[in-house]
Amino acid sequence: QVQLVQSGSELKKPGASVKVACKASGYIFATYTMNWVRQAPGQGLEWMGWINTNTGNPTYAQAFTGRFVFSLDTSVSTAYLHISSLQAEDTATYYCARAVYLDHWGQGTLVTVSS
Amino acid sequence: DIQMTQSPSSLSASVGDRVTITCQASHDISDYVNWYQQKPGKAPKLLINDVSNLQTGVSSRFSGSGSGTDFTFTISSLQPEDIATYYCQQCHNLPRTFGQGTKLEIK
Repeated sequence: QVQLVQSGSELKKPGASVKVACKASGYIFATYTMNWVRQAPGQGLEWMGWINTNTGNPTYAQAFTGRFVFSLDTSVSTAYLHISSLQAEDTATYYCARAVYLDHWGQGTLVTVSS
Repeated sequence: DIQMTQSPSSLSASVGDRVTITCQASHDISDYVNWYQQKPGKAPKLLINDVSNLQTGVSSRFSGSGSGTDFTFTISSLQPEDIATYYCQQCHNLPRTFGQGTKLEIK
């Protein structure tokens, strides 16, 4: 069965960076794009962008250009979200989700930014 | 960007009630609307794609309709396990955008 398993919660200081992993299994990794979605505490869902798992080409929503980078390691069917220069406002749960329809989701990774 | 205006933001209903949530797109998005359910502390779950296509294993009491700019999500007979927040999302244009969510509670 399709599974997306994300790395564990992170506590970071302002200015630090973090890398969130999303390991896929149960399907051919390169056949579906991988999306990233942010959810701030108590807030709604915000689409950050996606990465073409066949070409590695990322697409970012306007609010997520610059400090946010999507990458892949296709040898281990894993997508990554890297966030640099962390700010308190980056505190959120980050989800990976498969394909155009977001038909399967990871369990979420809580990133807390606090001094 | 396409804005998805979802209403109501919260809703209290009784078990067995028919519940309706609406979503209005700022531009014509044809039939490219999906609906998700998010239970507290859990990841969202895709219920319906392309307006009305129910995902495998999802209860038939959930349904969707609409086209163009106006869309509706319906629960035909509310059950206690339906307590969640529901989101619409358009997948017609980039960036994909979500509605603000509807928090559903039992009266």
